[in-house]
Amino acid sequence: EDQVTQSPEALRLQEGESSSLNCSYTVSGLRGLFWYRQDPGKGPEFLFTLYSAGEEKEKERLKATLTKKESFLHITAPKPEDSATYLCAVQAMNTGFQKLVFGTGTRLLVSP
Amino acid sequence: DAGVTQSPTHLIKTRGQQVTLRCSPKSGHDTVSWYQQALGQGPQFIFQYYEEEERQRGNFPDRFSGHQFPNYSSELNVNALLLGDSALYLCASSFRLRDDEQFFGPGTRLTVL
Repeated sequence: EDQVTQSPEALRLQEGESSSLNCSYTVSGLRGLFWYRQDPGKGPEFLFTLYSAGEEKEKERLKATLTKKESFLHITAPKPEDSATYLCAVQAMNTGFQKLVFGTGTRLLVSP
Repeated sequence: DAGVTQSPTHLIKTRGQQVTLRCSPKSGHDTVSWYQQALGQGPQFIFQYYEEEERQRGNFPDRFSGHQFPNYSSELNVNALLLGDSALYLCASSFRLRDDEQFFGPGTRLTVL
């Protein structure tokens, strides 16, 4: 069964203190790995899709990387507005359609 | 360009009742997926609709059913509500032939008392 594990569950950073979030996955053939940001009470907001090991994508202070077993979301010099829950999800190759399997997320709090 | 919209925003029901949630996909999208997100958890896949048919289903009982209309909008129906059905219900839309991005709506918060 496809599975996604995210760590840590919660992370508290000072503004400007860089760190990384981890997403470990087991899937029967990876079609894509997705990162989303979710603010309290709202729907997830799409950030990145990664398809193959070694791939990297960047957006402002965020950089996502992918290996064969895990993905990292690096946050450089975070600001308080980066506070949110970050969700990782995988899509398996053997599904004909677009089911996403999510982890439980990492709650990030950035203090000024 | 309107994104994914969902209605209602909030809903309170009692056990045993039935509920219908609605979703309009992002313009140009033809596929709608529904997810259930319990508090503190990640979203769990319920089912997906394409060309007005259920194409894939997660581990949810038959009390959960859906429909897709010719204009690609969708409904999620839940019968015989249980306390455990309380959650944020999310709709995500995508374009079948370009599935690298699924856009989520704001969700419907369902509370079952």
